[in-house]
Amino acid sequence: AQTVTQSQPEMSVQEAETVTLSCTYDTSENNYYLFWYKQPPSRQMILVIRQEAYKQQNATENRFSVNFQKAAKSFSLKISDSQLGDTAMYFCAFMPYNQGGKLIFGQGTELSVKP
Amino acid sequence: DSGVTQTPKHLITATGQRVTLRCSPRSGDLSVYWYQQSLDQGLQFLIQYYNGEERAKGNILERFSAQQFPDLHSELNLSSLELGDSALYFCASSDGHDAGELFFGEGSRLTVL
Repeated sequence: AQTVTQSQPEMSVQEAETVTLSCTYDTSENNYYLFWYKQPPSRQMILVIRQEAYKQQNATENRFSVNFQKAAKSFSLKISDSQLGDTAMYFCAFMPYNQGGKLIFGQGTELSVKP
Repeated sequence: DSGVTQTPKHLITATGQRVTLRCSPRSGDLSVYWYQQSLDQGLQFLIQYYNGEERAKGNILERFSAQQFPDLHSELNLSSLELGDSALYFCASSDGHDAGELFFGEGSRLTVL
């Protein structure tokens, strides 16, 4: 069975600093996608960044970047220049290549950005 | 705004009752997905429909059922409700391609008393 583990239930960071959220996953699949979703207090799930497993280059979206280590099955999210609006629950998610939309989520990391 | 609309936003009901949650996908999206978010189980995939047909099933209880109508909106029916069914139910939609991004609605918060 595929599982996603986020070992940090809560984290905090000062505004303008950098923070890294950890995620590991377990799968026997070779082709898959990995995602980070953000859930702010408004509770809507918002896609932050996506990584295709076959791509060696780490994905980047503005202040958000990932460190994808396929052999180690690790997929961490780095948020640079943290902003108050980044305060949210962050979920790491895994999706097998041939099961579009069937996301397997981790338990989430609650991030607080402090002024 | 993701373009996915869910109603109702909040619902309080009693054990043993039946409720229907409704989802309108983004314009043009053929796939609809239902997820359940609860404190003890986290976020779990329930079921997927593509253009009216069931495509994938996850951890959906037999007391729960869903369908997608010709206009592509979807309904999730929850019956014989138990306290443990209290959760946030999300609908998401996509264009149906395997790598397509999922767009989530704001969820329907169900409280069973």
